Amino acid sequence: QVQLVESGGGVVQPGRSLRLSCAASEFTFGSYGMHWVRQAPGKGLEWVAYMWFDGSHIHYADPVKGRFTISRHNSQNTLYLQMNSLRAEDTAVYYCAREYNYMMDYWGRGTLVTVSS
Amino acid sequence: QSVLTQPPSVSAAPGQKVTMSCSGGDSNVGRSYVFWYQQLPGTAPKLLIYDDDERPSGIPARFSGSKSGTSATLAITGLQTGDEAVYYCGSWDISLSAGVFGGGTKLTVL
Repeated sequence: QVQLVESGGGVVQPGRSLRLSCAASEFTFGSYGMHWVRQAPGKGLEWVAYMWFDGSHIHYADPVKGRFTISRHNSQNTLYLQMNSLRAEDTAVYYCAREYNYMMDYWGRGTLVTVSS
Repeated sequence: QSVLTQPPSVSAAPGQKVTMSCSGGDSNVGRSYVFWYQQLPGTAPKLLIYDDDERPSGIPARFSGSKSGTSATLAITGLQTGDEAVYYCGSWDISLSAGVFGGGTKLTVL
């Protein structure tokens, strides 16, 4: 069964940085695109970023463009999200998800990021 | 303001059928596959329908999806109390080069 486990969340002050990780297992990680999706407390799903299986194409949502960077290490089966210049509105549960036809099939359980002074 | 439009809530009695809509545009629903996700309270989203009308293995046939033009519909028959959840539609927007979701529909089984 596909497993995705996010880590790296926590409480961070506005303007600081945080790096999230997503450890993948039970599938050939290097053959799949990967997404980050977030969900603010009590709100709906918001797509954040998407990277092709080989890293050759990357897409970002406008609210995070220029501040967040998605990356991956295929030999370590790990996806990352580097988040810089964090704002209060970035507070959310961040999910990593495997790509299927440009959307998501399997999701991790998420990691909570709280941006607060 | 979500790119895809879903009704905030729907309700029906156990055993009944409910449908929920997802309205988009030419650059997303009209030209990309629609996916439906079920999010039970306190849990991660789970894939319910992919490629407009396909069910992953393990998803009961009570759940079905359809699409016409720029609108999609999720139908659930034989409602159970365990179906109470928020249901999200999603699609890839080829103009934005971005994933887009609806705001979610909360299903209440009365």
